[in-house]
Amino acid sequence: AQTVTQSQPEMSVQEAETVTLSCTYDTSESDYYLFWYKQPPSRQMILVIRQEAYKQQNATENRFSVNFQKAAKSFSLKISDSQLGDAAMYFCAYRSAETSYDKVIFGPGTSLSVIP
Amino acid sequence: KAGVTQTPRYLIKTRGQQVTLSCSPISGHRSVSWYQQTPGQGLQFLFEYFSETQRNKGNFPGRFSGRQFSNSRSEMNVSTLELGDSALYLCASSPGFGNTIYFGEGSWLTVV
Repeated sequence: AQTVTQSQPEMSVQEAETVTLSCTYDTSESDYYLFWYKQPPSRQMILVIRQEAYKQQNATENRFSVNFQKAAKSFSLKISDSQLGDAAMYFCAYRSAETSYDKVIFGPGTSLSVIP
Repeated sequence: KAGVTQTPRYLIKTRGQQVTLSCSPISGHRSVSWYQQTPGQGLQFLFEYFSETQRNKGNFPGRFSGRQFSNSRSEMNVSTLELGDSALYLCASSPGFGNTIYFGEGSWLTVV
């Protein structure tokens, strides 16, 4: 069974600075997707970024980028130029690409605070 | 394009009662999945439906059930409610076949 671990329950960053959230996962599969979702106080889960395991290039979305290390099973999220609106829970998530099932396995989350 | 819509957003039920939550997926999406979010257990997968068929089920008791209609709308039902069922229930939809899932705003269930 696949598992996702986020070892940082809480993180804080100064506004305009850069922060990196860590995520590791365990799987025996070779084809899968990894995601970072953001959950602000409204509780709406918002997709931040998606990485396909067979792509070596790290995904980027504006101020958000990932460092995907497949061999190490590591998938960290870097937020540059942090903004107050980035304050939220961040979930790392895994989805198999070897089945058609839409089952996503989530990590426990990291609560990010942004200090003005 | 409208997002995933969940109703009701908030509800309070008494132990022993049952509850039905509804989810309307994004137009064109055929897969609907449900998740339970609690402070203690985090986000846990309940089940997934595709074209009215349950394709996958999480590790929840039989009191938790669901279904999907021909228009892809889905309902989940929890019978004989327990205090521990108090949670945020999130619905997500996708076109299926490996695409990203998109979440609704959730239904907050409080069992008293």
